[in-house]
Amino acid sequence: DADVTQTPRNRITKTGKRIMLECSQTKGHDRMYWYRQDPGLGLRLIYYSFDVKDINKGEISDGYSVSRQAQAKFSLSLESAIPNQTALYFCATSDSQLKIGLGNEQFFGPGTRLTVL
Amino acid sequence: QKEVEQDPGPLSVPEGAIVSLNCTYSNSAFQYFMWYRQYSRKGPELLMYTYSSGNKEDGRFTAQVDKSSKYISLFIRDSQPSDSATYLCAMRRDDYKLSFGAGTTVTVRA
Repeated sequence: DADVTQTPRNRITKTGKRIMLECSQTKGHDRMYWYRQDPGLGLRLIYYSFDVKDINKGEISDGYSVSRQAQAKFSLSLESAIPNQTALYFCATSDSQLKIGLGNEQFFGPGTRLTVL
Repeated sequence: QKEVEQDPGPLSVPEGAIVSLNCTYSNSAFQYFMWYRQYSRKGPELLMYTYSSGNKEDGRFTAQVDKSSKYISLFIRDSQPSDSATYLCAMRRDDYKLSFGAGTTVTVRA
């Protein structure tokens, strides 16, 4: 987990506030992902980026936006937070050059616990 | 219907018991099957990875895939308290996208 860091680790905010979650990685991977985890629902993909100029929506992108500031940095923003965005958020990375064996194994950060009141 | 179904448990076993976890899936295009382990307040980490039907063993862990039944399993032999965690199955087609199960929380009692 030390190769993928997320800040903040915990955040409590109020409805309507703008929130940014940040992710940095030292693995040198080109691909980065944002997931949210909810009890009973597992991990769901919010956005993903295959390189600095490539941003794609995942399965639950509404209400979220992202920015890939550099190969090592990928931030997630909630423009106007709402209570049902309360969840555990994970950043992950993978290396597109890993074609043999695991191929595209994703490495996860430690997570950010976000509470929207 | 979810693409990947996993019983969330929780599952509580005594130390030394065999832990049996499983997932079913509906998409026959899935080719790669993984098990992630997630300790409390940590991110998931890859535990086992399999590509084809059959068994794969790694120490006390055995992963099984039955593509004909769309069913995967993870067995933990001689379970230890340090195995207490949430175990998530994940699978993907021949691309980047992982589809996760909901995760099963396992507690191994000393």
